[in-house]
Amino acid sequence: DVVMTQSPLSLPVTLGQPASISCRSTQSLVSSGGNTYLNWFLQRPGQSPRRLIYQVSNRDSGVPDRFSGSGSGTDFTLKISSVEAEDVGVYFCMQHTHWPRTFGQGTKLEIK
Amino acid sequence: EVQLVASGGGLVQPGGSLRLSCAASGITFSRYWMSWVRQLPGKGLEWVASIKQDGSEKYYVDSVKGRFTISRDNAKNSLYLQMNSLRAEDTAIYYCAADSGRYWGQGTLVTVSS
Repeated sequence: DVVMTQSPLSLPVTLGQPASISCRSTQSLVSSGGNTYLNWFLQRPGQSPRRLIYQVSNRDSGVPDRFSGSGSGTDFTLKISSVEAEDVGVYFCMQHTHWPRTFGQGTKLEIK
Repeated sequence: EVQLVASGGGLVQPGGSLRLSCAASGITFSRYWMSWVRQLPGKGLEWVASIKQDGSEKYYVDSVKGRFTISRDNAKNSLYLQMNSLRAEDTAIYYCAADSGRYWGQGTLVTVSS
């Protein structure tokens, strides 16, 4: 199975400051068709997860442009350019190139 | 508005069975791969199973193979998860999700305990 490793697991950030989360996979996430199926999700307290980014760098509809995704192969990053109070929650990466689908452990973002 | 409404959770004894359902609206259900994802209390997310648009392909995480069965009824815009031989470690919130996580339901809690 592909293991997804996120870091850090806890991320205290001051409002207005940038934040960055890393996600690394034990196998390349490039599919046979050349696409890379790496998503980022945010789960706010008491809510279902919400997808923010798909295929590494594409923002979902309604996701603020302060969120950006980058990376390739086995190394991926989610960046928030200027953290706002509503960004609090747990961020997960997930790969859906390989079976079984696998998630990172989650990174808990909190406001300092 | 997209809605995925999961139901069927509850308290069941070890070795028992439950059938979860997920009713979809606001999307063309038959276009999407559908999945079940679970979350142990206070923990991370674990993908459980997925089914192709026409039901011809199904995939499971190893820990549920032979015990859980995913199915769908495109005429009813519904997804199902038949869970048999339940274990304490299956206790979790079960979410249905469409299109590799593009859409999520609200989750239904399954508790396996004597």
